Amino acid sequence: GQNIDQPTEMTATEGAIVQINCTYQTSGFNGLFWYQQHAGEAPTFLSYNVLDGLEEKGRFSSFLSRSKGYSYLLLKELQMKDSASYLCAVSPRGSYIPTFGRGTSLIVHP
Amino acid sequence: DAMVIQNPRYQVTQFGKPVTLSCSQTLNHNVMYWYQQKSSQAPKLLFHYYDKDFNNEADTPDNFQSRRPNTSFCFLDIRSPGLGDAAMYLCATSSRAQGGDTQYFGPGTRLTVL
Repeated sequence: GQNIDQPTEMTATEGAIVQINCTYQTSGFNGLFWYQQHAGEAPTFLSYNVLDGLEEKGRFSSFLSRSKGYSYLLLKELQMKDSASYLCAVSPRGSYIPTFGRGTSLIVHP
Repeated sequence: DAMVIQNPRYQVTQFGKPVTLSCSQTLNHNVMYWYQQKSSQAPKLLFHYYDKDFNNEADTPDNFQSRRPNTSFCFLDIRSPGLGDAAMYLCATSSRAQGGDTQYFGPGTRLTVL
């Protein structure tokens, strides 16, 4: 199975940079997703990392280290609207169904 | 432009009174999922359809059933809702035919059980 760990809550200031970490343990691995979920809404896709390294998409970047079982989501130039839960999900080898972590609730304050 | 649609967005039912939640998609994806999500928890997979094949998670209670009459529609039936079934129910799709695992979620139905 998969064991996914991410911090429960983080706070940051508008305009700042924040890094949300995710560690996982899995017997086989296809890739890792990051989703954003605003309160009371559905998760929306942010990124999918298969290879090691950093992938940048505008203000959001996602990093993966397969050997370390570690990923992070980097949010730059934080805006108030970035206040949301960020879900890390692992796509296990041999399955098309990702397993979700509990999510990290990010609070951005002025 | 909504791609995964869920109705209703909010559903109130009484303890023990059956309820049906619906999901439709315009993506023509062959996989459809139902998740239950409670506050501050990860989405919990209840079951999914791969084309017409139904796949139930081992720990999904018998109280939860699903139907997929065609590619576009999928229903979640809760036969006798209990207070513990109050949650957000998320429908998602993905396309194995395109080789991807990315899931596209609907807006969810928030179920309240009185």
